[in-house]
Amino acid sequence: EDQVTQSPEALRLQEGESSSLNCSYTVSGLRGLFWYRQDPGKGPEFLFTLYSAGEEKEKERLKATLTKKESFLHITAPKPEDSATYLCAVQAVGGANSKLTFGKGITLSVRP
Amino acid sequence: DGGITQSPKYLFRKEGQNVTLSCEQNLNHDAMYWYRQDPGQGLRLIYYSQIVNDFQKGDIAEGYSVSREKKESFPLTVTSAQKNPTAFYLCASTTTGVTYQPQHFGDGTRLSIL
Repeated sequence: EDQVTQSPEALRLQEGESSSLNCSYTVSGLRGLFWYRQDPGKGPEFLFTLYSAGEEKEKERLKATLTKKESFLHITAPKPEDSATYLCAVQAVGGANSKLTFGKGITLSVRP
Repeated sequence: DGGITQSPKYLFRKEGQNVTLSCEQNLNHDAMYWYRQDPGQGLRLIYYSQIVNDFQKGDIAEGYSVSREKKESFPLTVTSAQKNPTAFYLCASTTTGVTYQPQHFGDGTRLSIL
């Protein structure tokens, strides 16, 4: 059974204080790992897809990395508008096309 | 603008009542999904459909039903058999046949019990 564990559950940062969010996964074969951002009362917004170990992707203050067992979402010099819940999901090889397994999410709060 | 529209935004269900949540997309996506989100829980898959007139149960299908009569539409019915329906329901879609394509989400329907 595919599993995704995200840590910590919640993270409070001061504006400008860089940190990382962790996503550990267990999957028979990884087809892709996805990061989403979710604001309260809204649907998840797609951020990144990572396909293979060693891959990195960046968007503004966010950088996602991938190893064979986990992914990190690094947030550099965060701003209050980065406050949101960040979701990680995996898609397994051999499963139904596009079926995703999600973690519980990490709630990030950035104080001004 | 292309996207996924879920309606209504808020819905209230009485005991013994079936309610239907709407999901419409104009992204020309083949696959559509329904997820349930509870506080402190990850998204859990209820049903998914990869082609018109075909759909499969997800991990928590009991008490729910769906139909896929049109490519653009994938309504979810929460039946009276679902004893704990209070949750945030999310619809998503994506293209098939192209690996690694992300799912795109609507803005959800929040269902509560009266």
